[in-house]
Amino acid sequence: GENVEQHPSTLSVQEGDSAVIKCTYSDSASNYFPWYKQELGKGPQLIIDIRSNVGEKKDQRIAVTLNKTAKHFSLHITETQPEDSAVYFCAARYNKLIFGAGTRLAVHP
Amino acid sequence: DVKVTQSSRYLVKRTGEKVFLECVQDMDHENMFWYRQDPGLGLRLIYFSYDVKMKEKGDIPEGYSVSREKKERFSLILESASTNQTSMYLCASSLVPSGGEETQYFGPGTRLLVL
Repeated sequence: GENVEQHPSTLSVQEGDSAVIKCTYSDSASNYFPWYKQELGKGPQLIIDIRSNVGEKKDQRIAVTLNKTAKHFSLHITETQPEDSAVYFCAARYNKLIFGAGTRLAVHP
Repeated sequence: DVKVTQSSRYLVKRTGEKVFLECVQDMDHENMFWYRQDPGLGLRLIYFSYDVKMKEKGDIPEGYSVSREKKERFSLILESASTNQTSMYLCASSLVPSGGEETQYFGPGTRLLVL
């Protein structure tokens, strides 16, 4: 069945460093790839997304890249700040959204 | 701003009890979803609904049922709660996807403990 794998499960960085979270998907028909951020005590919230006809998208300190051939997509956060600490979920969609298992990012001052 | 509310943030129930989790959205979204969130397993889809009185099974529907009598409200029902249903339950809503894009708006979650 459709599957999205996400790595790493936990990530610890120093403030100001970059963080990269990687996902792979199984359904080659997937055409939409959102990333969600879940802060403590809250539900996940969309932070950035990318469509299959685009290779890269940036929004200030966050960027997402997509390699359709390899069925990989990644989230890049530059100049990390303590408020970036959260759980991040990738997802892939064809008929429905399939979520990865999540990455707990900790940014230490 | 889209708002998705869930009736309880924390709930403690006993094995065998019937449990109702309520979700309400205020943006006239057609689609509503129930997920459970467990460490290391991410978000797993339990049930979803594309319209009033319509429901579809997700990936893990066993032990659950749903009800959607009004467009804005989607209820998750645990007919006879069991300890393995202890989890965080998340409700979400979305518009009909356009061009493949779909933004789901999540509620804050209900943390359910079944003793």
